Amino acid sequence: GNSVTQMEGPVTLSEEAFLTINCTYTATGYPSLFWYVQYPGEGLQLLLKATKADDKGSNKGFEATYRKETTSFHLEKGSVQVSDSAVYFCALRMDSSYKLIFGSGTRLLVRP
Amino acid sequence: DTAVSQTPKYLVTQMGNDKSIKCEQNLGHDTMYWYKQDSKKFLKIMFSYNNKELIINETVPNRFSPKSPDKAHLNLHINSLELGDSAVYFCASSPTSYSNQPQHFGDGTRLSIL
Repeated sequence: GNSVTQMEGPVTLSEEAFLTINCTYTATGYPSLFWYVQYPGEGLQLLLKATKADDKGSNKGFEATYRKETTSFHLEKGSVQVSDSAVYFCALRMDSSYKLIFGSGTRLLVRP
Repeated sequence: DTAVSQTPKYLVTQMGNDKSIKCEQNLGHDTMYWYKQDSKKFLKIMFSYNNKELIINETVPNRFSPKSPDKAHLNLHINSLELGDSAVYFCASSPTSYSNQPQHFGDGTRLSIL
């Protein structure tokens, strides 16, 4: 079946460090891919998305590129801030499917 | 201007009780969802409705019954609550069934069973 695998957390970084959170997927077709962020005590917010191979999604300094050859959608940010501390979820959605399939989430903790 | 709103935000109750969680969206979306997030933050879809019609039911116990009185509302009723039902329940909505449309989430309802 379709699935998403994320690197396990927590990921602990110092402010201004470079961030990578790995995400790979398994799918029978060509899904749309998403990164959602969950700040403490809040719901999920869409961070960025990519709908076809080689698309790059970007928002708030975060980027992720849809790599069909490696079935990956790794999240990156050049310089993290304390306010980026949250749980990050990678997700996929297949054509004509209503449901999002989520990875297990990766907690990011950024220290001053 | 809350887009997807859930009530209540917190729900503490005893085993065996029946409870409901309400969800409303003011985005004009056709499709609404319920997700369950467990203590390890793992998120899994439970139900989805499109224009008041049930389209996804992911092997959820019969004690859980969603109801959609109109396309802006999707409520979740739970009978005979069990300890394992303790979780955060998220409501979400999206404009269409197309895969590239993101889903918009509410802030969640934290359900604790004593």
